[in-house]
Amino acid sequence: DAGVIQSPRHEVTEMGQEVTLRCKPISGHNSLFWYRQTMMRGLELLIYFNNNVPIDDSGMPEDRFSAKMPNASFSTLKIQPSEPRDSAVYFCASNLGGVGSNQPQHFGDGTRLSIL
Amino acid sequence: GENVEQHPSTLSVQEGDSAVIKCTYSDSASNYFPWYKQELGKRPQLIIDIRSNVGEKKDQRIAVTLNKTAKHFSLHITETQPEDSAVYFCAASAGGYQKVTFGTGTKLQVIP
Repeated sequence: DAGVIQSPRHEVTEMGQEVTLRCKPISGHNSLFWYRQTMMRGLELLIYFNNNVPIDDSGMPEDRFSAKMPNASFSTLKIQPSEPRDSAVYFCASNLGGVGSNQPQHFGDGTRLSIL
Repeated sequence: GENVEQHPSTLSVQEGDSAVIKCTYSDSASNYFPWYKQELGKRPQLIIDIRSNVGEKKDQRIAVTLNKTAKHFSLHITETQPEDSAVYFCAASAGGYQKVTFGTGTKLQVIP
């Protein structure tokens, strides 16, 4: 099992640029989660999908953030335009989820994003 | 929504001693409680979990207890080792699509 795969591992870009983070969940998992981790705010859930459908995006900070899951094996998190306060580690996680399931989430290695 | 509080925020113990991390949750519907360990610069990894129909679960040196009435749960690590040094997160999950709410983390330092 390859685990959850995220790319890039590191991203440094200038303020105002578009940033796209990518995630490939574990094969067979049907739920996917995007988290942001900072020292100040800890681990925050941004959005999660079940069977490629966004279920809860209440954690998305503002309209500059968007996420898509076009198929069961790929998801993107996009920030446009990026700002220095978006600097954080972004994690993607997946599990075999759904209503009533209690399955642990498996995290990817994260993308360390720095906005200058 | 669910609110998970975690204490202490930092914990230092001597190697071989025990460490206890405590969490409380607000949503009485929560029924799944995972614990994650995150080493510096690494991803969170599940170390143990407990479901609401169980009061205690053990896995070698790690144990979790759950008190549904009081809405709190705890992680116990016995015979701590330097490699146990990390940040530990508790979490609670309730109903529907099992949205997980994480605690703020406990930085555990095991002193050799």
